[in-house]
Amino acid sequence: DIQMTQSPSTLSASVGDRVTITCRASRSISSWLAWYQQKPGKAPKLLISKASNLESGVPSRFSGSGSGTEFTLTISSLQPDDFATYYCQHFNTYSAVFGQGTKVEIK
Amino acid sequence: QIQLQQSGLGLVKPSQTLSLTCAISGDSVSSNKAAWNWIRQSPSRGLEWLGRTYFRSKWYYDYELSVKSRIIINPDTPKNQFSLRLNSVTPEDTAVYYCARGEQWLLFDSWGQGTLVTVSS
Repeated sequence: DIQMTQSPSTLSASVGDRVTITCRASRSISSWLAWYQQKPGKAPKLLISKASNLESGVPSRFSGSGSGTEFTLTISSLQPDDFATYYCQHFNTYSAVFGQGTKVEIK
Repeated sequence: QIQLQQSGLGLVKPSQTLSLTCAISGDSVSSNKAAWNWIRQSPSRGLEWLGRTYFRSKWYYDYELSVKSRIIINPDTPKNQFSLRLNSVTPEDTAVYYCARGEQWLLFDSWGQGTLVTVSS
């Protein structure tokens, strides 16, 4: 089974900072990687699919990159609305595996 | 705009059956494009996909191996909704349960509001 590992688990940052979250797969998953944002008490929200495809309505300060086993989510200039927990997810037609999450908190 | 509205009991006794429903608006449970999923989230297990149902000329059902012997996901076409039944629950099944829409891929673009289900006597 594929395992997804995110780092760091928690990230402290200030408004305006550039933030990068890493997700590693236990074996190559090509570009079958998505990113979600989750705020307390709410369901996750899909931000990015296929490693780098920004979903409609998601601000352009979010970007994703990577392929194979290493992926990154970057927020170019952190905004107050971005403080949340972020999850990566490997997907295909028969499997969905999530990372353990990265909490972005106010420094 | 697709909206998913969950309903069901939040407290279930051990060994009994967890039952939740997800009502769909803005899409159809019998769409030939969409798939209808259940996902849960707990501090110990994180986010965990449980299973899905979808219609492609006939109904299909896919379940996560770890719950396959205990889970049933059913569509309800007249009410445009789908349901989750998880049998023989234990405290390990305590989690927030979400319904979610996907398509061919196990990628989730719309989610219900979540239901905290506690398994306790």
